[in-house]
Amino acid sequence: NAGVTQTPKFQVLKTGQSMTLQCAQDMNHEYMSWYRQDPGMGLRLIHYSVGAGITDQGEVPNGYNVSRSTTEDFPLRLLSAAPSQTSVYFCASSLRWKGGHSYEQYFGPGTRLTVT
Amino acid sequence: KNEVEQSPQNLTAQEGEFITINCSYSVGISALHWLQQHPGGGIVSLFMLSSGKKKHGRLIATINIQEKHSSLHITASHPRDSAVYICAVVTQGGSEKLVFGKGMKLTVNP
Repeated sequence: NAGVTQTPKFQVLKTGQSMTLQCAQDMNHEYMSWYRQDPGMGLRLIHYSVGAGITDQGEVPNGYNVSRSTTEDFPLRLLSAAPSQTSVYFCASSLRWKGGHSYEQYFGPGTRLTVT
Repeated sequence: KNEVEQSPQNLTAQEGEFITINCSYSVGISALHWLQQHPGGGIVSLFMLSSGKKKHGRLIATINIQEKHSSLHITASHPRDSAVYICAVVTQGGSEKLVFGKGMKLTVNP
């Protein structure tokens, strides 16, 4: 199993450009999520999905869109990049939580994004 | 105030020492995760627990739900344990979201 993969590993954008960060998993996990990690702050949830066709907002969703057309893929779209979106982005997946019980989280290697 | 607080923020230890990393939270939770982030940036799950204690190799995680506190212990520490250790909680109420602490950077010197 490849686990959770993310592309690209690094990206530099100019303000106003758009792009899509790719995330894929081959573990048939229903739950997928996107986080951003900034210096001095913990991981913050951007968007998450509990299955194909179902997405919801996290703590910091503004400026980002997601969709989930398949179980395997969960792309994150930056609509119009801003310097405040400079960060390291992690995708994660797990089995679907049931009755408040969560499962082991599997993280991708991360994408380092710089917006100038 | 953050819902999840970790202490200390940084810790330097000598190889072989017993290390304790603390995590306190201010909300009701259904589970708590301990994660490790390597210097290269990758994040791996160490433990998930909702009560009691779990052990894996030299790592032991405990949780006290009444006191809203969890500890991660590393016995016989080694330089390869150098990493950022992150605590995350699942809040009660059925929300499928993790709330993370800021992490604790551990450096183990040979």
